[in-house]
Amino acid sequence: DQQVKQNSPSLSVQEGRISILNCDYTNSMFDYFLWYKKYPAEGPTFLISISSIKDKNEDGRFTVFLNKSAKHLSLHIVPSQPGDSAVYFCAATGSGAGSYQLTFGKGTKLSVIP
Amino acid sequence: KAGVTQTPRYLIKTRGQQVTLSCSPISGHRSVSWYQQTPGQGLQFLFEYFSETQRNKGNFPGRFSGRQFSNSRSEMNVSTLELGDSALYLCASSLDTVVYGYTFGSGTRLTVV
Repeated sequence: DQQVKQNSPSLSVQEGRISILNCDYTNSMFDYFLWYKKYPAEGPTFLISISSIKDKNEDGRFTVFLNKSAKHLSLHIVPSQPGDSAVYFCAATGSGAGSYQLTFGKGTKLSVIP
Repeated sequence: KAGVTQTPRYLIKTRGQQVTLSCSPISGHRSVSWYQQTPGQGLQFLFEYFSETQRNKGNFPGRFSGRQFSNSRSEMNVSTLELGDSALYLCASSLDTVVYGYTFGSGTRLTVV
């Protein structure tokens, strides 16, 4: 059973426009969420995170929104740039023993078209 | 500072063999975690070590094992390799739990033939 789901395998966006990547989770014990970006032949790189006590976290062009009641989070990239083209992974973790591991979604491949 | 170093980068093994992968964490990081990435299953947690002790283990068969040394370097071993073990194996290091931030290595690409 997939506890973290990214239902869109791919997304294409024009340069300069907004990219919105979505993620749903089912485990109520998750209370900390992260987004990673991955280029081919490299390991994932941390982008931004959010704790369940917040509903929004912003870092430059990247904003993550958390809707706890819907068990949904989204990553907004504004404006999108060609260098943002990569696979984006949503990940979640919980308190206590669960905080020793991340549960990942299967990723969304973002293509930013110049 | 140096990042997380995984060796080797690429490996080809035959079914039934065993393999050992190595991970050197960022200096000062005492937690090392291992993940398997496959096209079908995505990134899946294997195990996590902190100060030479395994704190958490994912849902993988006993053929997958690991250990951590006193200098925080870690190895993972897969015995009796199967075709389905072909994957990218990623190591991540952290000061402690995930909320301190993970830094991933570039991974070891294992191909089982």
